[in-house]
Amino acid sequence: GNSVTQMEGPVTLSEEAFLTINCTYTATGYPSLFWYVQYPGEGLQLLLKATKADDKGSNKGFEATYRKETTSFHLEKGSVQVSDSAVYFCARSQGGSEKLVFGKGTKLTVNP
Amino acid sequence: NAGVTQTPKFQVLKTGQSMTLQCAQDMNHNSMYWYRQDPGMGLRLIYYSASEGTTDKGEVPNGYNVSRLNKREFSLRLESAAPSQTSVYFCASTRIRQDTDTQYFGPGTRLTVL
Repeated sequence: GNSVTQMEGPVTLSEEAFLTINCTYTATGYPSLFWYVQYPGEGLQLLLKATKADDKGSNKGFEATYRKETTSFHLEKGSVQVSDSAVYFCARSQGGSEKLVFGKGTKLTVNP
Repeated sequence: NAGVTQTPKFQVLKTGQSMTLQCAQDMNHNSMYWYRQDPGMGLRLIYYSASEGTTDKGEVPNGYNVSRLNKREFSLRLESAAPSQTSVYFCASTRIRQDTDTQYFGPGTRLTVL
């Protein structure tokens, strides 16, 4: 089964609202954790990552902290913009390799 | 520097037809991947190649074959397409074989099998 679980979407917010997208994982050892974003009609691109416990990844106002004790990597942004509308994927590395296991994705729509 | 490119962007096939999806990267990356993206399923790994001349199965390899033609190119072949293979296909690459490395994705190929 899928060992990355992220909150079901879709999520609809108004501009400047606070965003949280939950992500939890199961793994042996300490995988690297990633958030990828997919804008409409495009491929995925890295948003941020954290490679060890308690690391915080950040980019474009988004943040996520690697929480070993809760096996979580929740994505947050304090004030979303219309341009943040996209599908967000949580992922973890697999078996110490560069292969990734992805969550199912969460679609975010931000309305003006 | 084009990154990861994929051709074609769109394709419609009839059941039983064959086709090859092309992928190339110009970043001198070692590892390359093929994924499929289906609604509500996220991305699932079909095949990957850790280096030129090597390929390995991923989570959903049935019905597909791959070729790592050289360091730049990694193709995905459907020998006899089935409606269950209707999906969006993404190619990706990473520079090194480390779990901290970032994957770079192509723009995708949207395939419909009738």
